Amino acid sequence: GQQLNQSPQSMFIQEGEDVSMNCTSSSIFNTWLWYKQDPGEGPVLLIALYKAGELTSNGRLTAQFGITRKDSFLNISASIPSDVGIYFCAGRPYGQNFVFGPGTRLSVLP
Amino acid sequence: NAGVTQTPKFQVLKTGQSMTLQCAQDMNHNSMYWYRQDPGMGLRLIYYSASEGTTDKGEVPNGYNVSRLNKREFSLRLESAAPSQTSVYFCASYRQGLSYEQYFGPGTRLTVT
Repeated sequence: GQQLNQSPQSMFIQEGEDVSMNCTSSSIFNTWLWYKQDPGEGPVLLIALYKAGELTSNGRLTAQFGITRKDSFLNISASIPSDVGIYFCAGRPYGQNFVFGPGTRLSVLP
Repeated sequence: NAGVTQTPKFQVLKTGQSMTLQCAQDMNHNSMYWYRQDPGMGLRLIYYSASEGTTDKGEVPNGYNVSRLNKREFSLRLESAAPSQTSVYFCASYRQGLSYEQYFGPGTRLTVT
């Protein structure tokens, strides 16, 4: 099946630092979603993107729908300990089901 | 609103046993999905139901069956469990046409010995 690549796979940052991660595909997508998953919990929707070039914020989180429609980016500003978790991207080609990335595991050091 | 609920939260089965995972949503969504999550991999689609009365295979349907009981409920059945089905199972739903935002349940952690 179709695959999404997410990078980095994992990252360790100091509290207060900004974080950037991305998701890339070989196919064009019409929708990008970003999720956060805490240990033992289900993914929680953070941001939804529907148009190429779209930039959407949710508190300290900002996500962008890439111009090529084959990638998306998530930034977290001024990280705090509760940002720890796994961040997943999901992309939807037109008329098809969502495809999920393998996730970026974020650790925040105090 | 409870959103998407799943039962049970944990389950241990012996090889060959059967069980049904239950999922319900109270958001009046048309579409419901079953995924499995394995370490280091993205969520993989097992089966989905685009609307009440329809079900379709996803990427990894072998060894599973589903039932869309009504608009709210979508169950996943393992007829003869195998160790390869040890995984975390998530149910999700969304309302097609208005947005494509999928909402997930808390998951069922299944171990097959």
